[in-house]
Amino acid sequence: DSGVTQTPKHLITATGQRVTLRCSPRSGDLSVYWYQQSLDQGLQFLIQYYNGEERAKGNILERFSAQQFPDLHSELNLSSLELGDSALYFCASSVVAAPPYEQYFGPGTRLTVT
Amino acid sequence: GQNIDQPTEMTATEGAIVQINCTYQTSGFNGLFWYQQHAGEAPTFLSYNVLDGLEEKGRFSSFLSRSKGYSYLLLKELQMKDSASYLCAFFGANNLFFGTGTRLTVIP
Repeated sequence: DSGVTQTPKHLITATGQRVTLRCSPRSGDLSVYWYQQSLDQGLQFLIQYYNGEERAKGNILERFSAQQFPDLHSELNLSSLELGDSALYFCASSVVAAPPYEQYFGPGTRLTVT
Repeated sequence: GQNIDQPTEMTATEGAIVQINCTYQTSGFNGLFWYQQHAGEAPTFLSYNVLDGLEEKGRFSSFLSRSKGYSYLLLKELQMKDSASYLCAFFGANNLFFGTGTRLTVIP
């Protein structure tokens, strides 16, 4: 158990819908990261927040957005869902915002878009 | 641009040693990470190299050559539970860039 929690564990929804994934970092960690992992593309970095502020942006689509709240939990919002958005979405956290650091990953949310 | 290459699959025998190679290309480099990921589970941190050379941690060692854009993960005394994907990642352009991973199968 990494100490990072993600809800829900599984999510099945239809194309065109909107969903929200939630992540609570390890106690004391200020930085939160979101990743998407699909079978053909591996682990793709989406976005990073540090202490409530966006710090880095990766391959995040405009249909996706995220935020980190004052209590440091984070939400990833996915809208106008497409079949290709079906993937495992991981949240990770770390104490500091840049290496050397160890990122701790949550168990992931498996999103299936039908 | 940024790129990472690792073999897609490898098979090794229980008790043996296996080396998983990783080559990368990036304009900005701030460290090389190795993660282990069992099927359907979250990645777990194995090692971090920022300077050239070998870092040893129990049965696992990781090597980095920045001039060659090359790293390897060495697993000794292989156990069945080491069957997993091993992800190489570098920190560049302010985020971690992952390879697609090497799926290692350990056979008796």
